[in-house]
Amino acid sequence: GNSVTQMEGPVTLSEEAFLTINCTYTATGYPSLFWYVQYPGEGLQLLLKATKADDKGSNKGFEATYRKETTSFHLEKGSVQVSDSAVYFCALRPTSGYALNFGKGTSLLVTP
Amino acid sequence: DTGVSQDPRHKITKRGQNVTFRCDPISEHNRLYWYRQTLGQGPEFLTYFQNEAQLEKSRLLSDRFSAERPKGSFSTLEIQRTEQGDSAMYLCASSLVRGRRGPYEQYFGPGTRLTVT
Repeated sequence: GNSVTQMEGPVTLSEEAFLTINCTYTATGYPSLFWYVQYPGEGLQLLLKATKADDKGSNKGFEATYRKETTSFHLEKGSVQVSDSAVYFCALRPTSGYALNFGKGTSLLVTP
Repeated sequence: DTGVSQDPRHKITKRGQNVTFRCDPISEHNRLYWYRQTLGQGPEFLTYFQNEAQLEKSRLLSDRFSAERPKGSFSTLEIQRTEQGDSAMYLCASSLVRGRRGPYEQYFGPGTRLTVT
């Protein structure tokens, strides 16, 4: 079946540090891949997406590249800010379906 | 675009009671989804609608759960005879789907947090 695996958190970084949150997936065909962010007390917000191999999604300084050969969609940001503290979810939409499969989420805390 | 809204934001109920949640999707979106999120976990799919038709239901959606979208606009999710295990955040999302291809990104509401005592 379809599944998403994210690195365990929490991740604690100092402001301006480089961020990587690993995400790998299991799915047949070419799923669409997403990163969502959930700030404390709020709902999920779509951060970025990619629909085919080698696509790079980007938004607000965050990037992720759809790697078919490694079935990965790692989230990166060159310089994190305190305001980036949140829980980040990797998700896939299967080729033949519409329901999203989410990872367990990775909590990020950025300290000044 | 006013976003997806959900009501209520919080609900505390006693075990055995029935509860109903409402979701209003983004106005032009034809698909509406319900997910459940427990603490420390990612959202899990429950069901989705294309306009007023319920097209898919997860095995998580037991007989005590029922969802409707009577006019293809807002949706309700009812849980009958609530159990403590039903305590979770219930999330609604919507998307605009045309044809068979596309990411069809889903936009989420703030959720309804249910606590069953």
